[in-house]
Formats: sequence, structure tokens, C-alpha cells
Amino acid sequence: DTAVSQTPKYLVTQMGNDKSIKCEQNLGHDTMYWYKQDSKKFLKIMFSYNNKELIINETVPNRFSPKSPDKAHLNLHINSLELGDSAVYFCASSRRTSGGARDEQFFGPGTRLTVL
Amino acid sequence: AQTVTQSQPEMSVQEAETVTLSCTYDTSESDYYLFWYKQPPSRQMILVIRQEAYKQQNATENRFSVNFQKAAKSFSLKISDSQLGDAAMYFCAYRTLMGWKLVFGAGTILRVKS
Repeated sequence: DTAVSQTPKYLVTQMGNDKSIKCEQNLGHDTMYWYKQDSKKFLKIMFSYNNKELIINETVPNRFSPKSPDKAHLNLHINSLELGDSAVYFCASSRRTSGGARDEQFFGPGTRLTVL
Repeated sequence: AQTVTQSQPEMSVQEAETVTLSCTYDTSESDYYLFWYKQPPSRQMILVIRQEAYKQQNATENRFSVNFQKAAKSFSLKISDSQLGDAAMYFCAYRTLMGWKLVFGAGTILRVKS
């Protein structure tokens, strides 16, 4: 069974469009994340939700809006797509205990977004 | 702000040989966690090994081990008996003790020659 799944895996779209990427985890974790990996493979946190509450919101354009309908899902909606949004977007989840290293973040397979 | 630096953009190793990937980090925290993640061509992020800063003993996982030098803020990954399946991008990452996010280095591409 897939632990963290993302749909779609590939997304090709035109500039100016609005698109969503969905993420689901079946690990019973209460924290979920979105990371962006740019063309140089650099990975950076975008957002994090804990128990459906936004706890991290890095310097991300407000065209990006995460939505967490429940603890198992964290979707990413992007408005007015730009060329620079082309990247691989990773969803991840973890279990929050007392901050121990066993709070391993499990990553989804990534969604490659290409904006033309 | 914490930063993670991987100074080797690319490394090569002969199959069955040993290779060491370097990582340094900057933090004012005394307790934190360090990780090595592997990203093969499939792009799936896979945790290889983790180290708690409050533990002096270096972590090991089968053929993978780390050399953690807290005073020097250095966290290198040693891969012994390299296999073709080890070829991937390797990322060093940092997380504060109570923090949520991982801070990643720029990555090192490891090529394994047969």
C-alpha cells in the first residue's frame, strides 16, 4: 500500500491556468508538508499543516494556497501559473511525538509540474 | 537561520569501493537532528540514515554510516561496498529538535561505475 500518494504525477499546463495537486497519506500522521524542488534540484519547504492547522508558511507567492480538508489530505492549489512555477512538488507527512528523530518525514513520489 | 552545505556537486565511485559524501551545517542550536536522504532517478525521496545531535555515537545502517563531528558542524556519509543501486542524488538535511521543517543541502550526485 502506498504510504503517501500524490496526484497527478505529471502535470503540463499553460501559463495563467489554475491547477491543483492532491496529496493523501494513510500512515495516520498528523503533520503534512509541501516541498518544492526546483530545476537545480534544490528542495525547500513551502507549507506545513498539523492537525489541519497551518504551522509553516514560507515566503511563497499567495497564488499558492494549501488546503487540508482532514488530517490525511493536504492539497496544493496554484492560481495564475507562471513559467517559474515549473518544478517538482513533493508532499510529505510525519508523526509528531515529542520531537524525537522517529518523526521521520515520509515523502510522496512527487508531481512534476511543467508550465508552458 | 540554519543552512546546510554540500560542497561536492558530483562524486564517482567504483563498484564495491567506499565513498564519502560531505555535509556541513550552520546552527546556533545545541540539539537537533541530521539526515541523509537518497533520491534515485525515480525521484522518490528515501531516508538513508539519521543522527541525533545529542548522541555521540555515529549512526550506522548496514553499508551506510556517518561521521558526525558536532564541534566542526560536519556530517559526512560513508557508503561501503558501493552498489550500482546506490547511484542517486544524496541530500543532507537538518531539523531543529522541536522544529517541523527539513532544511536541505543542494545535493550530491553519486555515480557508481561497474
